This record gives sequence, C-alpha cells and structure tokens, in this order.
Amino acid sequence: EVQLVESGGGLVQPGGSLRLSCSVSGFIFNDFAMQWVRQAPGKGLEYVSASSTYGESTNYADSVKGRFTISRDNSKNTLYLQMRSLRVEDTALYFCVRAARGYSYGFYFDYWGQGALVTVSS
Amino acid sequence: DIVMTQSPDSLAVSLGARATINCKSSRSVLSRSYNKNSVAWYQQKPGQPPKLLIYWASTRESGVPDRFSGSGSGTDFTLTISSLQADDVAVYYCQQYYSTPLYTFGQGTKLEIK
Repeated sequence: EVQLVESGGGLVQPGGSLRLSCSVSGFIFNDFAMQWVRQAPGKGLEYVSASSTYGESTNYADSVKGRFTISRDNSKNTLYLQMRSLRVEDTALYFCVRAARGYSYGFYFDYWGQGALVTVSS
Repeated sequence: DIVMTQSPDSLAVSLGARATINCKSSRSVLSRSYNKNSVAWYQQKPGQPPKLLIYWASTRESGVPDRFSGSGSGTDFTLTISSLQADDVAVYYCQQYYSTPLYTFGQGTKLEIK
C-alpha cells in the first residue's frame, strides 16, 4: 500500500523557518518524481515545488522561489521542503504528492499525503 | 503559465441526476509526444486530500466508479457524474500537466445535493 506521511508542520513567526518531511512507503521511491502542493485555508490547490527522481532537477513556483528548497534522501525514502523567510501568505496545508511517471517531473498526481499544516503568524 | 478556469464555481444537483463540470485551459494542452490531452481531475472531500479521478482527460483511475467520466480536447474539458450519489459531494479540481513542472489547477467546483 502506497503511503505518504508528512511531518514538521507548526506555528512559526513571519521571517522564520520550518522544514517539512514526507516519509513514503509502498513503492520504489527513486522511481518517481515528487512534489509539494499547498492549500491555504478555504482555498484551492497551488503547486509549490517538484523534484525529479534523484533530485538532480528541481523546480519552484514563483511565489516560493529563493525561499523554499526541495530535497530528497532516497536512502531514507524521504522528501523534504525547507522553508525560509516565511510569510503570512505561506499559511497552508502542505501536501506531499507522488507524480505518475513521465518526463523529469512526472505527470498527474496519483498519490497524496494527508498534509502538514503550516501557520505563519505573529 | 497556463490558466485553468472551471465553471460553475458551485453546483447543486439532485440525487440520481447528471452533474457536469467544465474546465477551460488558456492554451491547448494536447501533448504531441503522447497524442493525449494533459488534463487530470481530482475530488476533494472535507478534511481529506485530493483524490485522482481521471487523467489524460478521459482515463479513469483504477477503483473510480464508472459513473465518473472525462471528456474534451484542446482547451475544453468536462467531468461528468452520470448519476449523482450522496458520496459524491465534494470539491472537484481540474489540473493541467502539459507544462510540467509548471502544473496549474482550476479554482475548484463545489458540488452539493439539491
């Protein structure tokens, strides 16, 4: 059974940092590109960042570029999102997502974690 | 970026009736490499993560009931629920993955029972 479990969310002040982790099981981690997608309270879905299978290629939405860093440790079956210089507008539920195989970053999103809540507030 | 625009924003349908949600992309999402339209549909129930329903515009994900179907090509796409069940109350999102990794989602359509 495919499982993606996020951790590391919490309350942080504006300008602060937080690191999210996503531990996966049930599939060969380094066969799949992985993403982070977020959802602000009561809002829609927003792509945040993507990592190719070995992390050799990464991509970021303009809204987080230069502040967030995606990485992965394939030996630990874990995906990370380091978030710095956090803003109030980064408040959201952050989903770890597996992308179906295709190109460097994958295609549609076939498995989602339950999400980690990040709240940025003073 | 490719903009995905869904209509309507909300929809109320009677049990057993047909529900139709539309999604329009700002440019064609037809993949020439695969000769398929790079559109997926997701269902999100309250307190749950999104669930993949349809990919390549019309391919149903394994385990998804056959009352769910996707259609369309180029820039116009539709998700149809042929006979609405109470369990189908949710928010539905379309997504394009043509411009991977610059994935974009529609704003969502809230489906309720009339």
